[in-house]
Amino acid sequence: DVKVTQSSRYLVKRTGEKVFLECVQDMDHENMFWYRQDPGLGLRLIYFSYDVKMKEKGDIPEGYSVSREKKERFSLILESASTNQTSMYLCASIFGAGSHEQYFGPGTRLTVT
Amino acid sequence: GDSVTQMEGPVTLSEEAFLTINCTYTATGYPSLFWYVQYPGEGLQLLLKATKADDKGSNKGFEATYRKETTSFHLEKGSVQVSDSAVYFCALSPYNNNDMRFGAGTRLTVKP
Repeated sequence: DVKVTQSSRYLVKRTGEKVFLECVQDMDHENMFWYRQDPGLGLRLIYFSYDVKMKEKGDIPEGYSVSREKKERFSLILESASTNQTSMYLCASIFGAGSHEQYFGPGTRLTVT
Repeated sequence: GDSVTQMEGPVTLSEEAFLTINCTYTATGYPSLFWYVQYPGEGLQLLLKATKADDKGSNKGFEATYRKETTSFHLEKGSVQVSDSAVYFCALSPYNNNDMRFGAGTRLTVKP
């Protein structure tokens, strides 16, 4: 079974702090994704990566950056957290191109106070 | 661009009731269509999928048929259980593309 893990299930940070959210997958998947999930808005893509050191902006990249130094790990960085970044963050991975399912981690619920 | 629209919730049903959650899509070409389910406190997991027109995806008693003529992929289950209480997301992925577009999600609550 594919496993996607996220470093924290719950996180509380203060406004202005730098926040790191980590995601690790164990199936040698090439593509990894970061979404945020908000009520009534579904999932919105923040960034994705199709290879080590490669990244592409999604629909809502403002206020976020990412890092992919190793194939199995994809990090989401909030350079200076703000209250409107309070959300559920979901990481996903997929093997390669094509219409395949994405495998999701359990999510990190981030609260910025 | 490509998008998915699903019925707003929440939906509350009694156990053994019939479930329909509507989903329509807008896409160029021939996307693949998915239903994901999110149980409380968990990430999303794939429930079923269909990759071409007239395909029927099915799993755990849930079914959805890819209808190109109506651009729809409605989720159905003949008899829901309390354990089906979750949020359901309709999604599409354009052909040969890893991009995934999700609907807003529909919360289902099944009461005993």
